Amino acid sequence: GAGVSQSPSNKVTEKGKDVELRCDPISGHTALYWYRQSLGQGLEFLIYFQGNSAPDKSGLPSDRFSAERTGGSVSTLTIQRTQQEDSAVYLCASLRTSGGYNEQFFGPGTRLTVL
Amino acid sequence: AQSVTQLDSQVPVFEEAPVELRCNYSSSVSVYLFWYVQYPNQGLQLLLKYLSGSTLVKGINGFEAEFNKSQTSFHLRKPSVHISDTAEYFCAVSDIQGAQKLVFGQGTRLTINP
Repeated sequence: GAGVSQSPSNKVTEKGKDVELRCDPISGHTALYWYRQSLGQGLEFLIYFQGNSAPDKSGLPSDRFSAERTGGSVSTLTIQRTQQEDSAVYLCASLRTSGGYNEQFFGPGTRLTVL
Repeated sequence: AQSVTQLDSQVPVFEEAPVELRCNYSSSVSVYLFWYVQYPNQGLQLLLKYLSGSTLVKGINGFEAEFNKSQTSFHLRKPSVHISDTAEYFCAVSDIQGAQKLVFGQGTRLTINP
């Protein structure tokens, strides 16, 4: 499969626990994005990586959220001390630059439920 | 800052009828424009995009959209819908340069009735 993959597909956790969400982008895509989709807020940007650095973290909702990317490939989004309002689908996308335009390819998402 | 407004949260249509999903955006700089589709329990799939050039863009599954700069609109159309078009549709914009992060509208749920 050549698409963006995310794991786990579903995660149920208790309030106060930490969770890690993983994204495997398409091979060779240099840019990687995390978005969140929730009923109240719709689809919102969280963080952008170019290579291993994150020049835009403006969408992270609080300091409980962090993300890293290693080897210019896999990325992990970590949520510490989860709260019920963190329940959402977390989407990862990677960016292809081809023919002078850019297109983001999305993974299937991780559905996070905080009890 | 950019914003996207999808004027209809839900659109019910009969099968084989035409449909238009409306999208307006606000931006102080030039943008790229996109329509994504999300089928039930699936991720986002790109339908079509406007980057430059012809203002009428054609996408997958028979959809097309027209960029209107003066009205800051990018409405999505299909002349004849099918049951399989039932999904949620998202309009989005991004900067041309920089992070190119997507700013999405709230989505339009398209329901096709037989």
